[in-house]
Amino acid sequence: DTGVSQDPRHKITKRGQNVTFRCDPISEHNRLYWYRQTLGQGPEFLTYFQNEAQLEKSRLLSDRFSAERPKGSFSTLEIQRTEQGDSAMYLCASSLPGTAYFLTQYFGPGTRLTVL
Amino acid sequence: KQEVTQIPAALSVPEGENLVLNCSFTDSAIYNLQWFRQDPGKGLTSLLLIQSSQREQTSGRLNASLDKSSGRSTLYIAASQPGDSATYLCAVCSSGAGSYQLTFGKGTKLSVIP
Repeated sequence: DTGVSQDPRHKITKRGQNVTFRCDPISEHNRLYWYRQTLGQGPEFLTYFQNEAQLEKSRLLSDRFSAERPKGSFSTLEIQRTEQGDSAMYLCASSLPGTAYFLTQYFGPGTRLTVL
Repeated sequence: KQEVTQIPAALSVPEGENLVLNCSFTDSAIYNLQWFRQDPGKGLTSLLLIQSSQREQTSGRLNASLDKSSGRSTLYIAASQPGDSATYLCAVCSSGAGSYQLTFGKGTKLSVIP
C-alpha cells in the first residue's frame, strides 16, 4: 500500500503524559500537513511542511505541540503535558509539489487520541 | 478568515434517489475546492477537486459544481446506494494562505436506506 500511513492508530493516555505520533507520507510528496478533528467537526489545520521546513503553524498549535520532519520524509507530532481537550483525531495529509490549483491532499487513517 | 458551511448537517434518503449536498464559503479567493468522504472513525478519501477556474467535475455517479463568485458548491450524487452512507466534507484551499491549507466545513452525514 503506497498511501499515507499513521502510527499508532489509537492512543489512550493519562492527563499530563507526553505522546508522539508518526506520519509517513506518500513517497515523492514533498508537502505534509497535520490536522486535528474533534467529534462532529471538520478537520482544522495545525501545521505544514514543505520538505523538512515547517512553513506555517496554526494558532491552535500551542507551545505544548511540536512537529518535525527530519530529512523531509516522515513527520512526528508530539504533544507534551496532554490535557483532556487534546482528545481528538489527528490526521496527516500529503501532496505533490506544484501549483495549488490542482493539488489533491491525500489523507492518512488518523490517530485517535483519548486523554483520561 | 475563510469560513465554510455545509447544509444540511444530515440527510436520509431511500436507495436510488438522486441527492444534492451544499457547501458555501465566505472568501472567493481560492485555488480549489475539494469534496471528501469520511467513514466513521476513518480518515478522509478524496472524491473530487475543482480548480478555481473550473465550473464542474464529474467522477462516476458524482458531479461537483463550483460558482466561485457566489461562494457556492454542490455535490450531486446520482442513484444513491447504501454504500454511499458516510459523512461528506467540503474543503477550500484559499489563495491567501501560503501553506495551501484546507478549510473544512462540518460535513453532511448521509444515510442511504435500502
